[in-house]
Amino acid sequence: DAGVTQSPTHLIKTRGQQVTLRCSPKSGHDTVSWYQQALGQGPQFIFQYYEEEERQRGNFPDRFSGHQFPNYSSELNVNALLLGDSALYLCASSGTALYLEAFFGQGTRLTVV
Amino acid sequence: RKEVEQDPGPFNVPEGATVAFNCTYSNSASQSFFWYRQDCRKEPKLLMSVYSSGNEDGRFTAQLNRASQYISLLIRDSKLSDSATYLCVVGTTYNFNKFYFGSGTKLNVKP
Repeated sequence: DAGVTQSPTHLIKTRGQQVTLRCSPKSGHDTVSWYQQALGQGPQFIFQYYEEEERQRGNFPDRFSGHQFPNYSSELNVNALLLGDSALYLCASSGTALYLEAFFGQGTRLTVV
Repeated sequence: RKEVEQDPGPFNVPEGATVAFNCTYSNSASQSFFWYRQDCRKEPKLLMSVYSSGNEDGRFTAQLNRASQYISLLIRDSKLSDSATYLCVVGTTYNFNKFYFGSGTKLNVKP
């Protein structure tokens, strides 16, 4: 079982650019959630995808958007990058049954310069 | 008020010590509870789920107090390798398995 995989692992972008991060969930999981983790902070929920639709959203601007594909993999897109978007972006996959824990990918470390 | 709150630490303890972390959550309808461990610049990894009756896994014991809305993690006989940040996570399955994270408690185990 490959677990949750994310790509790329590191990325450097310039302010104003756009970025796309990718995530493949753990086998058997159909729900993908994205989190932003700033240095020294806990992960903050961005949004969650299930059945190819965004069904939950945290307190993030519309510059953050996403997509889920029929194979349950997902993308996170961030437009008009700001310096404050520099963070570790974590993808978590989970199932829909009660009490199932989330499994995380290794994350994508985004640096905006 | 934050959904999940933790003492950020750091907790600096000698090897062999017993250390306890607490975490409080604000939503009384929360249904699933976990402790995750996160090493520096790595992703969080599940340490253990927390059940109403309390549960133990080797040197680690987790407790849940629903009435007071707090979760605890006890680590006995601390090892150097236990040094990490411990994240308290609360899930609300009524809200489609949305997870709320505390900011984490940093543990440093010293020789």
